[in-house]
Amino acid sequence: AQKITQTQPGMFVQEKEAVTLDCTYDTSDQSYGLFWYKQPSSGEMIFLIYQGSYDEQNATEGRYSLNFQKARKSANLVISASQLGDSAMYFCAMSPALNAGNNRKLIWGLGTSLGVNP
Amino acid sequence: DADVTQTPRNRITKTGKRIMLECSQTKGHDRMYWYRQDPGLGLRLIYYSFDVKDINKGEISDGYSVSRQAQAKFSLSLESAIPNQTALYFCATSDPGRGLYNEQFFGPGTRLTVL
Repeated sequence: AQKITQTQPGMFVQEKEAVTLDCTYDTSDQSYGLFWYKQPSSGEMIFLIYQGSYDEQNATEGRYSLNFQKARKSANLVISASQLGDSAMYFCAMSPALNAGNNRKLIWGLGTSLGVNP
Repeated sequence: DADVTQTPRNRITKTGKRIMLECSQTKGHDRMYWYRQDPGLGLRLIYYSFDVKDINKGEISDGYSVSRQAQAKFSLSLESAIPNQTALYFCATSDPGRGLYNEQFFGPGTRLTVL
């Protein structure tokens, strides 16, 4: 069965430091996408970054990068130079590719709560 | 203006009442979803719709119903609300034509409390 595991329920980082949020996944699909979303205390769900399983380069979006290790089935989110506004819940999710015939839904992890200390 | 809107944003109701949560989108996406979020349980899919005539149950559809009135509108109803339906509800959309993977875009959420 497809599954996303986020092993860090909560963590803290010092402002301006880098932080890595862990995500491991389980799938037998060959083609899939991996996503990270941010949920601040206000509640909205904000898309951050995605990585396709066949992408050779790790995805980057500004201060966010995805450390994709396909053999280990991990897709860790790296936030560089943390800011106070990065304090939020972070969710990892996985989707089969749309042409894989099973494109019904995203599989979600339970999230990691990140606090940034000044 | 937000691409995905939800009304109401907050609602307090009593057990047994019928409640409708509405979702509208201007993204032109065919696919729409309803999730609920509970602390410690993450996001769980209630219903999803791939077009106006295609509606499917998610993992926790009991006690809920939906209506896809148009491509842009997808409503979630609680026919007889109960306290364990107290949660944060999200509507989301996606468009398979815009990318290989099923990236979803979320509304701001509706915080529902059932007393």
